[in-house]
Amino acid sequence: DQQVKQNSPSLSVQEGRISILNCDYTNSMFDYFLWYKKYPAEGPTFLISISSIKDKNEDGRFTVFLNKSAKHLSLHIVPSQPGDSAVYFCAASDRNSGYSTLTFGKGTMLLVSP
Amino acid sequence: ETGVTQSPTHLIKTRGQQVTLRCSSQSGHNTVSWYQQALGQGPQFIFQYYREEENGRGNFPPRFSGLQFPNYSSELNVNALELDDSALYLCASSWGSAKNIQYFGAGTRLSVL
Repeated sequence: DQQVKQNSPSLSVQEGRISILNCDYTNSMFDYFLWYKKYPAEGPTFLISISSIKDKNEDGRFTVFLNKSAKHLSLHIVPSQPGDSAVYFCAASDRNSGYSTLTFGKGTMLLVSP
Repeated sequence: ETGVTQSPTHLIKTRGQQVTLRCSSQSGHNTVSWYQQALGQGPQFIFQYYREEENGRGNFPPRFSGLQFPNYSSELNVNALELDDSALYLCASSWGSAKNIQYFGAGTRLSVL
């Protein structure tokens, strides 16, 4: 039973346009959400996070939106750049569990073409 | 560059053998978590060590075991290797046992033949 779902395996966007990556979760105990970016032959790199008490967090070109009632979050990248081409993982955590395990989705491969 | 280093980078073993993977945490981090990433999947939590004690475990059998040392480096041991253990093994470090962002190493690619 997948608790974190990324239903789009891949996404293609032109340089300069907006990239929107989506993520759904089922566990109501999740209260902290993160996005990681992964290049081939490298480990996942932390990108941006959001606590469940917020509905938006912005960091430069990256914005994460959280809709708790729909159990849905999205990552917006504006403007998209070719260097953003990577696999993006959505991850969730229950910070009241006493330890910080991350539950990941399967990832979405983003390709930004010039 | 996260400061988390893993060794070896690649490893080939045969079924039934045992393997030890190593991880050096980012300076100042006292918590290490291990994840298994199978092809086409997201990383799956194996276990977490905080101040040398295991304080959380995912749905993995006991033949997956670990250690954390006083300098916060860590080992993942897998006994009686099975073909399905072929995966990328990721180590992540953080400060504190909860509420913090985890920083990942580049992983060890294990192939079991």
